[in-house]
Amino acid sequence: DGGITQSPKYLFRKEGQNVTLSCEQNLNHDAMYWYRQDPGQGLRLIYYSQIVNDFQKGDIAEGYSVSREKKESFPLTVTSAQKNPTAFYLCASSMKASTNEKLFFGSGTQLSVL
Amino acid sequence: QKEVEQDPGPLSVPEGAIVSLNCTYSNSAFQYFMWYRQYSRKGPELLMYTYSSGNKEDGRFTAQVDKSSKYISLFIRDSQPSDSATYLCAMKYAGNMLTFGGGTRLMVKP
Repeated sequence: DGGITQSPKYLFRKEGQNVTLSCEQNLNHDAMYWYRQDPGQGLRLIYYSQIVNDFQKGDIAEGYSVSREKKESFPLTVTSAQKNPTAFYLCASSMKASTNEKLFFGSGTQLSVL
Repeated sequence: QKEVEQDPGPLSVPEGAIVSLNCTYSNSAFQYFMWYRQYSRKGPELLMYTYSSGNKEDGRFTAQVDKSSKYISLFIRDSQPSDSATYLCAMKYAGNMLTFGGGTRLMVKP
């Protein structure tokens, strides 16, 4: 089945620790995205990538880093510089970051601070 | 003021009711309008996609866009308990990323 796989489903971070969230897609989509969702708030864009080996900052990139070494994979690292990391993280992909894009989402990772 | 405003709810209705979900926005450049449904602790799934003003129907769902009022709506007919979820509106213009509303939580009671 084609889709987007996020892992793990739940993740706990200790003070000062970096953690990495995995996102893999087999839809052959060019563009991939990371969003953060807080209760009662809309999805906020962290980073996006339109092509392998290239990515751009979204609205709330501070304290996060990404890489796009393969078309299928777009991991997100939450660094110790992110002081309020507790949130639900969603990875998405689309055919391309064009006008008519439709986003397909993974099932999300809930990150909590210990 | 947020670019896209959406009443968080919760909105509670009896099974079979017609549901109206709404978003207002401030940026007149928005051209593409979407509605996503999100079940608890899951990723959003695209329900409806419309371009510019007018209505679009798909089964029990109707999306309505009024660009002059900067107002979009999603109507659900014959609502079912399985429709209980959070509904997110989203919009964009060419060359820009999606802007999401905060979501409205809907509960359909049997």
